Amino acid sequence: AAGVIQSPRHLIKEKRETATLKCYPIPRHDTVYWYQQGPGQDPQFLISFYEKMQSDKGSIPDRFSAQQFSDYHSELNMSSLELGDSALYFCASSLGRSNQPQHFGDGTRLSIL
Amino acid sequence: DAKTTQPNSMESNEEEPVHLPCNHSTISGTDYIHWYRQLPSQGPEYVIHGLTSNVNNRMASLAIAEDRKSSTLILHRATLRDAAVYYCILRVAYSGAGSYQLTFGKGTKLSVIP
Repeated sequence: AAGVIQSPRHLIKEKRETATLKCYPIPRHDTVYWYQQGPGQDPQFLISFYEKMQSDKGSIPDRFSAQQFSDYHSELNMSSLELGDSALYFCASSLGRSNQPQHFGDGTRLSIL
Repeated sequence: DAKTTQPNSMESNEEEPVHLPCNHSTISGTDYIHWYRQLPSQGPEYVIHGLTSNVNNRMASLAIAEDRKSSTLILHRATLRDAAVYYCILRVAYSGAGSYQLTFGKGTKLSVIP
């Protein structure tokens, strides 16, 4: 079965640079979530989209923005990168109901030098 | 979202059953109980969820206390591949369509001994 696809798998950037992470949800899933997991930490919710509209925001810095496109793929844009942004970034997709499981991608490992 | 409490770590011998407890004493009547796990270097993976009745699927069983203030995830025969961090998460059962993010707490790190 098709899974959530994230690209790139690894990304190395320097401070103050920008980065764009991409997420392709499971076909027919209408909801996309982004999570950040720092070293030794638990995943933290950043932002979500339902039917291409921003739905909820968590602890997402103002330097980050995201959108969901007409084909339901989503991109997380990160600017003025800081050392503390080094983390695993996971995308998940689901059908938009509270009892529906989320399916996670393998993540993008972002390293800031 | 209501809080959950889980042991920091547990150990199990391979091929033995594992019972992973979760306390959620402030659960509301409309909260679903979800379990996810995260294997090393992978994204979280859905395991099972339930509302009031016990649930079974191919991965595990979920036993929910009658008062719903606690639940137990049961792995019937632990394998080395089951070594992961297990998260018990409550999600409000809204009836409307939309996004319902997961709030990950401190899960239980399960080690499986060969």
